[in-house]
Amino acid sequence: AQSVTQPDIHITVSEGASLELRCNYSYGATPYLFWYVQSPGQGLQLLLKYFSGDTLVQGIKGFEAEFKRSQSSFNLRKPSVHWSDAAEYFCAVGLTYTGTASKLTFGTGTRLQVTL
Amino acid sequence: DVKVTQSSRYLVKRTGEKVFLECVQDMDHENMFWYRQDPGLGLRLIYFSYDVKMKEKGDIPEGYSVSREKKERFSLILESASTNQTSMYLCASSPAPRTSGSGETQYFGPGTRLLVL
Repeated sequence: AQSVTQPDIHITVSEGASLELRCNYSYGATPYLFWYVQSPGQGLQLLLKYFSGDTLVQGIKGFEAEFKRSQSSFNLRKPSVHWSDAAEYFCAVGLTYTGTASKLTFGTGTRLQVTL
Repeated sequence: DVKVTQSSRYLVKRTGEKVFLECVQDMDHENMFWYRQDPGLGLRLIYFSYDVKMKEKGDIPEGYSVSREKKERFSLILESASTNQTSMYLCASSPAPRTSGSGETQYFGPGTRLLVL
């Protein structure tokens, strides 16, 4: 069965500093990988996704992620964090269930705090 | 833009009550999903539906049922609410997979925070 590990429960960075959130997955085939962000009291918003092709994926709000098959990782990065980036971030791996629906398995999330 | 709406943002119910959570999407998506979100556990799939009247159990279906009578609407039912069902419930929708190996993006509603007393 597929699984996703986000080893950092909570991260604090200063505004303007760079950010890297870690994500490792376990999946037997070519994975479909996603990063979502959840602001307090809100639903999840898609940041970016990897299906195939270029392993460096650009997303919204200045985020990017790099797929590394050899390390089973899909880490999220941002060169300069803004206070509005404070939120919870979820990595997910997708698979197709019996060809009728695509299921996502989520990591447990990383809460990002930004200090001014 | 895809819009997924949920009938309530906050809900307070008593133990033993029957609870209905409603979700509506406006993008003609074939697939719809119900998750619950708990601190430290991330999102866990309760049920999903890949077509009208079609449903499949997710990872934690116990104590829940679902209904999908129309394509745009997917309901989660707690037959007899219990305190351990206090949680945030998130609905999502996605298109059907284009191929057997494709992974489609899921679009989420704002969530319903349910408190069972």
